[in-house]
Amino acid sequence: AQRVTQPEKLLSVFKGAPVELKCNYSYSGSPELFWYVQYSRQRLQLLLRHISRESIKGFTADLNKGETSFHLKKPFAQEEDSAMYYCALRTMGGKLIFGQGTELSVKP
Amino acid sequence: DTEVTQTPKHLVMGMTNKKSLKCEQHMGHRAMYWYKQKAKKPPELMFVYSYEKLSINESVPSRFSPECPNSSLLNLHLHALQPEDSALYLCASSPRGVNTEAFFGQGTRLTVV
Repeated sequence: AQRVTQPEKLLSVFKGAPVELKCNYSYSGSPELFWYVQYSRQRLQLLLRHISRESIKGFTADLNKGETSFHLKKPFAQEEDSAMYYCALRTMGGKLIFGQGTELSVKP
Repeated sequence: DTEVTQTPKHLVMGMTNKKSLKCEQHMGHRAMYWYKQKAKKPPELMFVYSYEKLSINESVPSRFSPECPNSSLLNLHLHALQPEDSALYLCASSPRGVNTEAFFGQGTRLTVV
């Protein structure tokens, strides 16, 4: 089965605190994994993809095939990071499947 | 031009109406998608077009009918919808190939009355 699981619907942290948004996937093939972000009243946009191993806006994500995880991390959260975050999996057949999403709230 | 443009932004239609949603991109992307998104929920895949051919239909009811007239345009024809079909309809496009980014439109907010 192809599935993306984000166990936390809401994550609330204070500004400057570390943040980790969890993502686990189930896929028998070689996964393409992404993190998308949706700020209030804005369109869904790509934040990170696993293949590039880059840091965007201070966020990083590492693919752990043994644990089938792709958690998103940031060492020091900022208020402007408050948004809905979706982990997504693209299958070899071309489907882009989203997890349930985690709403991140960064309090001042 | 790195945008996916959707029209209209808002649409209210009755259950007996026929309407169409439009999506346009000029990035040369050969994969295009329709998603449905309810409030506080993730986008749910409806259809995937690859090189203007329908490649994936996620068991969507026939009252939704997609069309890809050319490589830049994607339509979603609506007929005899139900109130529960009210949602944000998102269009996306991406290049073919591995690990490519999908670009999303702003969506059409559909209300069925």
